[in-house]
Amino acid sequence: NAGVTQTPKFQVLKTGQSMTLQCAQDMNHNSMYWYRQDPGMGLRLIYYSASEGTTDKGEVPNGYNVSRLNKREFSLRLESAAPSQTSVYFCASHAGPSTEAFFGQGTRLTVV
Amino acid sequence: RKEVEQDPGPFNVPEGATVAFNCTYSNSASQSFFWYRQDCRKEPKLLMSVYSSGNEDGRFTAQLNRASQYISLLIRDSKLSDSATYLCVGNSGSARQLTFGSGTQLTVLP
Repeated sequence: NAGVTQTPKFQVLKTGQSMTLQCAQDMNHNSMYWYRQDPGMGLRLIYYSASEGTTDKGEVPNGYNVSRLNKREFSLRLESAAPSQTSVYFCASHAGPSTEAFFGQGTRLTVV
Repeated sequence: RKEVEQDPGPFNVPEGATVAFNCTYSNSASQSFFWYRQDCRKEPKLLMSVYSSGNEDGRFTAQLNRASQYISLLIRDSKLSDSATYLCVGNSGSARQLTFGSGTQLTVLP
């Protein structure tokens, strides 16, 4: 059982480059999330999708876009990467608000 | 003010000690709360859910106080393997999305 799969695991970008982080879950979960984690800041919500076909901004959405392609997949796009977007990105999913959330292994992104 | 706040620590305790973490939340509409554990450079994983009646899982006890809007985690008889960052989580907002505290770092010393 794969759970939540994120790709890539590591990435180095130059300022201004674009990229898409991929996330897929095989647990038939309704809700999916993208978080970023910086030292001492905990996990901050970038975007979430409560169900297929819906997406909403979280705490720190600027500089990012998302697509809920289908129930399984939720991608995060950086259109023009900036050094401030250097972080560890986690995708998560859960069946509903009162249930356990499962996380991918994270993407370590460095923007130079 | 962050919706979920917790003492970042670090907490350095000897093996066998009892340690308690507290977390406060600002959104009284939050309905579900959790404690997650995160090991260094790994993804967070659920430690336990938090219920109003309190719940216990082995050496771990979680409590929720809705009147004062805080939750707590008590770890008894600390083990070296308990060293990690503990994240307090609540759900809030229109979709009751998960909101994380900044985490409390625990190091259990031999």
